[in-house]
Amino acid sequence: DIQMTQSPSSLSASVGNRVTITCQASQDIRYFLNWYQQKPGKAPKLLIFDASNLETGVPSRFSGSGSGTDFTFTISSLQPEDIATYYCLQYDLLPGALTFGGGTKVEIK
Amino acid sequence: EVQLVESGGGLVKPGGSLRLSCAASGFTFSNYNMNWVRQAPGKGLEWVSSISSSSTYIHYADSVKGRFTISRDNAKNSLYLHMNSLRADDTAVYYCARSGSVGADSWGQGTLVTVSS
Repeated sequence: DIQMTQSPSSLSASVGNRVTITCQASQDIRYFLNWYQQKPGKAPKLLIFDASNLETGVPSRFSGSGSGTDFTFTISSLQPEDIATYYCLQYDLLPGALTFGGGTKVEIK
Repeated sequence: EVQLVESGGGLVKPGGSLRLSCAASGFTFSNYNMNWVRQAPGKGLEWVSSISSSSTYIHYADSVKGRFTISRDNAKNSLYLHMNSLRADDTAVYYCARSGSVGADSWGQGTLVTVSS
């Protein structure tokens, strides 16, 4: 089974600062990785698909990069409304197990 | 607009059963693979089960294998999760999620399952 290691588990940053979250896969997953934002009491929201593609309607301050086993999610300029927990998700085109990273809780300093 | 609406959650005793439903609208349900994902209180997201568009392929997490059964009715645009032998650690919000060409792209609002005596 593929394991996804996400770090850090939490972070605190000032408004306007750059925030970076990483996910490492236990084996090559090519670009089959998404990033989600989840606010308390809400369902996850897709932000980035296929490692680096911005979902329609998502602000351009969010971005993703990487392929193979190492992936990065970046908020270029943290805004108060970005306070949430962020998750990476490894998926396959064939139906099967989805593997989530452990999540990163982002707070304002 | 894609809509996924879960229902069927509630309080159940350990060892009990429950059936969750997910009503889909706004897209051609029969063309998409579907998933159940859960989130225990204060914890991260955990994939539970997936089913292919025509029910040919079905997968379960080890934690629910043999106790949960996923199914779908494409004529009714509905996804189901039959949960048996429920345990306290099955307590979670259960989400249904659509799998498009880019993984889980749309989610319902979730339904809470509480397993407690």
